[in-house]
Amino acid sequence: DTEVTQTPKHLVMGMTNKKSLKCEQHMGHRAMYWYKQKAKKPPELMFVYSYEKLSINESVPSRFSPECPNSSLLNLHLHALQPEDSALYLCASSPWTTDTQYFGPGTRLTVL
Amino acid sequence: AQSVSQHNHHVILSEAASLELGCNYSYGGTVNLFWYVQYPGQHLQLLLKYFSGDPLVKGIKGFEAEFIKSKFSFNLRKPSVQWSDTAEYFCAVLNTGFQKLVFGTGTRLLVSP
Repeated sequence: DTEVTQTPKHLVMGMTNKKSLKCEQHMGHRAMYWYKQKAKKPPELMFVYSYEKLSINESVPSRFSPECPNSSLLNLHLHALQPEDSALYLCASSPWTTDTQYFGPGTRLTVL
Repeated sequence: AQSVSQHNHHVILSEAASLELGCNYSYGGTVNLFWYVQYPGQHLQLLLKYFSGDPLVKGIKGFEAEFIKSKFSFNLRKPSVQWSDTAEYFCAVLNTGFQKLVFGTGTRLLVSP
């Protein structure tokens, strides 16, 4: 089983709202990732967690706040987003940070 | 900075035609190489990968890729495409030193029946 689940599938939020995206995997992977994908563009790395610790932050604005409560869960907390943050947010996991990444279906976020 | 180039942005083929998609990367160190596919309305799926060993790797659905280290290339091939291969194909390179997966710009493949 190589399934990564993400909730919600779709999210619409205003610029003053606070919301969270959730990602879950039960493959025992120790690395988890957040990517942002704009329409007709490749995924762009945002954050990497390795053994539940943030190891890479690709200079992402602080209005995006990641959290890894345990080895199976990854959250992305959103606050005061801008319309240009509208995109597909992808979660991925891998056994460790140099191995194959398996992607979830994504959350399509619209910021009004 | 590491970069990944996919030369063909849009490819249109008829069923049974052969496919080759180019991928070149800029990093000279140790890399792990991947091709992912994104079918319409579906999430990214792994087609194949290369870490070491035989530079010709076979993946799912009849796809294969060849790693040519001297050319920094990892081209994807399929001898005979099907309509169901219509999708976007991404080459991705993981720099094992920096531990970041970098995607190419993608190639949209349209296979006409």
